[in-house]
Amino acid sequence: AQSVTQPDIHITVSEGASLELRCNYSYGATPYLFWYVQSPGQGLQLLLKYFSGDTLVQGIKGFEAEFKRSQSSFNLRKPSVHWSDAAEYFCAVGPYGGATNKLIFGTGTLLAVQP
Amino acid sequence: DAGVTQSPTHLIKTRGQQVTLRCSPKSGHDTVSWYQQALGQGPQFIFQYYEEEERQRGNFPDRFSGHQFPNYSSELNVNALLLGDSALYLCASSYTGGRAGRSYEQYFGPGTRLTVT
Repeated sequence: AQSVTQPDIHITVSEGASLELRCNYSYGATPYLFWYVQSPGQGLQLLLKYFSGDTLVQGIKGFEAEFKRSQSSFNLRKPSVHWSDAAEYFCAVGPYGGATNKLIFGTGTLLAVQP
Repeated sequence: DAGVTQSPTHLIKTRGQQVTLRCSPKSGHDTVSWYQQALGQGPQFIFQYYEEEERQRGNFPDRFSGHQFPNYSSELNVNALLLGDSALYLCASSYTGGRAGRSYEQYFGPGTRLTVT
């Protein structure tokens, strides 16, 4: 079965601290992987994506993610968190070469940033 | 360049009623997908439209139907509303076009918040 697991429902970090949000996936084929961010009452904004090639991908707002095939993981990182990063973060997986680009999302990780 | 737009922003309906939500894709995009996001959950795929046809459908009942127009905009219709249909409905657009130009990135609109009472 295709699924995405985000083990951490809620994370609190101090401003300036580093951040790592975990994402594990189960997918029968080579996946496309995405991280989206959602601010309260807003839609989803694409942070970064992995299709192929270099397993460390850079995104917007200083975020990066590393694809580890052996661990079926795609963790999101940021070296120094800003108060404006407080939001909900979703990991998603899509089909490589499929007929459609349907996304399967995890349940999200809510990030709170302490001053 | 306008992104994905959705209307209305908020909607309150009564059980048993019908609702229509609208979506205009990002300029240059030809494919529209609809997702339902219940409170505290990740978005769930409802269906996708391309070339005015439903191309793939998620695990949603037939009460959920859609349409895509020649200008690529789309509607989501839900009949016989249930309390459990209360959610944020997200529209996402992408480009399929010719295979060489295919994009797997989906861009999301701000959503329509549907409340069923």
